[in-house]
Amino acid sequence: QKEVEQNSGPLSVPEGAIASLNCTYSDRGSQSFFWYRQYSGKSPELIMSIYSNGDKEDGRFTAQLNKASQYVSLLIRDSQPSDSATYLCAVNPNSGGSNYKLTFGKGTLLTVNP
Amino acid sequence: DGGITQSPKYLFRKEGQNVTLSCEQNLNHDAMYWYRQDPGQGLRLIYYSQIVNDFQKGDIAEGYSVSREKKESFPLTVTSAQKNPTAFYLCASRRQGGGYGYTFGSGTRLTVV
Repeated sequence: QKEVEQNSGPLSVPEGAIASLNCTYSDRGSQSFFWYRQYSGKSPELIMSIYSNGDKEDGRFTAQLNKASQYVSLLIRDSQPSDSATYLCAVNPNSGGSNYKLTFGKGTLLTVNP
Repeated sequence: DGGITQSPKYLFRKEGQNVTLSCEQNLNHDAMYWYRQDPGQGLRLIYYSQIVNDFQKGDIAEGYSVSREKKESFPLTVTSAQKNPTAFYLCASRRQGGGYGYTFGSGTRLTVV
């Protein structure tokens, strides 16, 4: 069973701080990694994707991938109250014919305090 | 604009009743998925389909059925055999190939009354 693990939180940060969200995965052959943001009562929204080791930046968001450590993270700089949401990590496994389905973590609840 | 439309947004089911949740996409995506989300739990895969007229069971398929007669449509029926159907149901679609994420619909909240 391919697994994706996230700290459920809640993670609480003050406004303007950096929020760091972490995710580990068990399938070493995984190739594609995604971060989704889900506001309460709403559906998940794709905010970042990353495929290669290193950092990928998009505005205030930075995704970091370390395949050797099987670790992917999301940094949110200058956190705003509007960033308060659950963040889901998703991984595309690459073995056993299962690469048609993403495997999701259970999500980390982030609260940004004004 | 392209996207995925789920309807209805809210649905109430009586005991012993079958209900069908609609999912339509105009993104020209080949693969479509149904997930269930319960409070405090992650997304659990019910069914998925990679091509028309073909679909596979996910992790919690019991009590559910689907069809994929058109590329654009992937309706989910919650049957009376599903004993605890109250949940938030999410439909998603994806381009074929391993490098793409899902696009989600806005969800249907099903409640048993």
